[in-house]
Amino acid sequence: DAGITQSPRHKVTETGTPVTLRCHQTENHRYMYWYRQDPGHGLRLIHYSYGVKDTDKGEVSDGYSVSRSKTEDFLLTLESATSSQTSVYFCAISDRFQVSVSYEQYFGPGTRLTVT
Amino acid sequence: QQQVKQSPQSLIVQKGGISIINCAYENTAFDYFPWYQQFPGKGPALLIAIRPDVSEKKEGRFTISFNKSAKQFSLHIMDSQPGDSATYFCAAESPGAGSYQLTFGKGTKLSVIP
Repeated sequence: DAGITQSPRHKVTETGTPVTLRCHQTENHRYMYWYRQDPGHGLRLIHYSYGVKDTDKGEVSDGYSVSRSKTEDFLLTLESATSSQTSVYFCAISDRFQVSVSYEQYFGPGTRLTVT
Repeated sequence: QQQVKQSPQSLIVQKGGISIINCAYENTAFDYFPWYQQFPGKGPALLIAIRPDVSEKKEGRFTISFNKSAKQFSLHIMDSQPGDSATYFCAAESPGAGSYQLTFGKGTKLSVIP
């Protein structure tokens, strides 16, 4: 999985509790992304980062915050989890400095989060 | 507003047949169109991608056909095999101010039956 790990891989939490998901990469890629995947919705971008401490919102950012203090780590925080945030969360990385036709985003293995 | 529309939602194809998945987009700023393949319990992985300056790209049994004027592109899987059974996502990328964001279709679940 292109040197990407996500932790935890599975988590069950209660409504109203804070949750932090971690994405760690060993590829030294500049860009990192958080997506959520829900049946019937495909993959939707939550937040992304284009460098250390440089982040921006995606399509479905409400209720989520992110931080990137090191190149290799991108954290996604649910300040107060709700049942609508039950989903599978994927981290992805890419690097645009190389001259490449594909500009591939590499995805991690995912974190399954259940909010009860 | 769904910027990339993908059809069908599900597809059943006989082994050896051709699988065809279609996508349509609205944003003319999109300049990169990848297809991702996802197996159950795994993250998506890039299958094949195309830029709008070509009308077709082929890699093995997988071909992307691109129609810029119609704002449509499709994935063709020739000689479909049971191992191709997966969910396929089309996507489109627009270069922003220092960012490169993918907008995904909702996915097509392909089942190839022996």
